[in-house]
Amino acid sequence: NAGVTQTPKFQVLKTGQSMTLQCAQDMNHNSMYWYRQDPGMGLRLIYYSASEGTTDKGEVPNGYNVSRLNKREFSLRLESAAPSQTSVYFCASSGRDWAYEQYFGPGTRLTVT
Amino acid sequence: KNQVEQSPQSLIILEGKNCTLQCNYTVSPFSNLRWYKQDTGRGPVSLTIMTFSENTKSNGRYTATLDADTKQSSLHITASQLSDSASYICVVSEMKTSYDKVIFGPGTSLSVIP
Repeated sequence: NAGVTQTPKFQVLKTGQSMTLQCAQDMNHNSMYWYRQDPGMGLRLIYYSASEGTTDKGEVPNGYNVSRLNKREFSLRLESAAPSQTSVYFCASSGRDWAYEQYFGPGTRLTVT
Repeated sequence: KNQVEQSPQSLIILEGKNCTLQCNYTVSPFSNLRWYKQDTGRGPVSLTIMTFSENTKSNGRYTATLDADTKQSSLHITASQLSDSASYICVVSEMKTSYDKVIFGPGTSLSVIP
């Protein structure tokens, strides 16, 4: 039981390049989330998926797209990376909805130069 | 605007000592409050969760309190250990009709030294 896994762990992009961050969970959770964490700030929600087949914008969705591929997998795509997207990205999942504990992955450290 | 503030920003204590971390929030309507521990380079891990009707919750050496009237919470760590060195994040959920919106505090960085 691996919990929430994320790939890659580290990534360096040049401005304008694209990439997809992968996330998978093996806890049969309905809800999945993508956050970014910047120094001195709390985690901020980028997108979430309350259930398979649905996605919704969070607090900071601009510059990102997501895909809920199936119940297990939720990917985050940067179409044209910008230096402002340099951050640590966390994927999380929860059992039914926001009221349940969220389990976090180990994070992806992304640097855009 | 709903916000979560934490103090102090950072704290250094000697191993074996106790400490208390503070969380103030302006989130309304309130659903629940969680404390997470985040080790360096890892994702946050839940320590406690409290709803409106709960004013204290313990998890081993961690005890969280909640005063919903003053919108304050504290996390008390007893007999600190080196492994307690981490960032502690207060997370408050805003109740909405279809889901609870989650707001993260900036965290308190705790260093426990020998």
